[in-house]
Amino acid sequence: AQSVTQLDSQVPVFEEAPVELRCNYSSSVSVYLFWYVQYPNQGLQLLLKYLSGSTLVKGINGFEAEFNKSQTSFHLRKPSVHISDTAEYFCAFSGTYKYIFGTGTRLKVLA
Amino acid sequence: NAGVTQTPKFQVLKTGQSMTLQCAQDMNHEYMSWYRQDPGMGLRLIHYSVGAGITDQGEVPNGYNVSRSTTEDFPLRLLSAAPSQTSVYFCASSVRRETGELFFGEGSRLTVL
Repeated sequence: AQSVTQLDSQVPVFEEAPVELRCNYSSSVSVYLFWYVQYPNQGLQLLLKYLSGSTLVKGINGFEAEFNKSQTSFHLRKPSVHISDTAEYFCAFSGTYKYIFGTGTRLKVLA
Repeated sequence: NAGVTQTPKFQVLKTGQSMTLQCAQDMNHEYMSWYRQDPGMGLRLIHYSVGAGITDQGEVPNGYNVSRSTTEDFPLRLLSAAPSQTSVYFCASSVRRETGELFFGEGSRLTVL
């Protein structure tokens, strides 16, 4: 069965510290991978996506993610977070016409 | 530049009532979908459509109906509301089914009493 696992439901981190949000996927076919961000009381918006090519993908707001096929992972990183990065982050993959989302990781940036 | 528009933003229903959540997009996207978001469960796909006249079920389709008569509109119907359908519902669209970015509406918060 196809699935996405986000290992951490909440991640607290101090401002200007680095952060990594973990994502693993399970699929028997090739997939396309995405990270979305949801700010309070809003819809989701795309941070970055991996379709093919370079395994290191850069997105908006200084975020990047690395696709690791052998570990079936697509972890999201930022070297220095801001208070404004406080939000919920969703990993997703698409294949066979369906987007499958993880359960989300709530990032809380502390002053 | 409206993007994906959902109405209503908030709705309270009694058990057994029916209602329709509206979704419209002005980007000429072929792919449209409905998700529900529940705490700790992420987004779960209810129904999706790959073009006018074509719809299919997602992970949690029971209790919901959809239709796609035009490219722009993709309404979600609750036939007989149940408390288990209390959730936040998101409509999303994409220009390309698998590789395209999903554009989301702002959500519709539904409470079933």
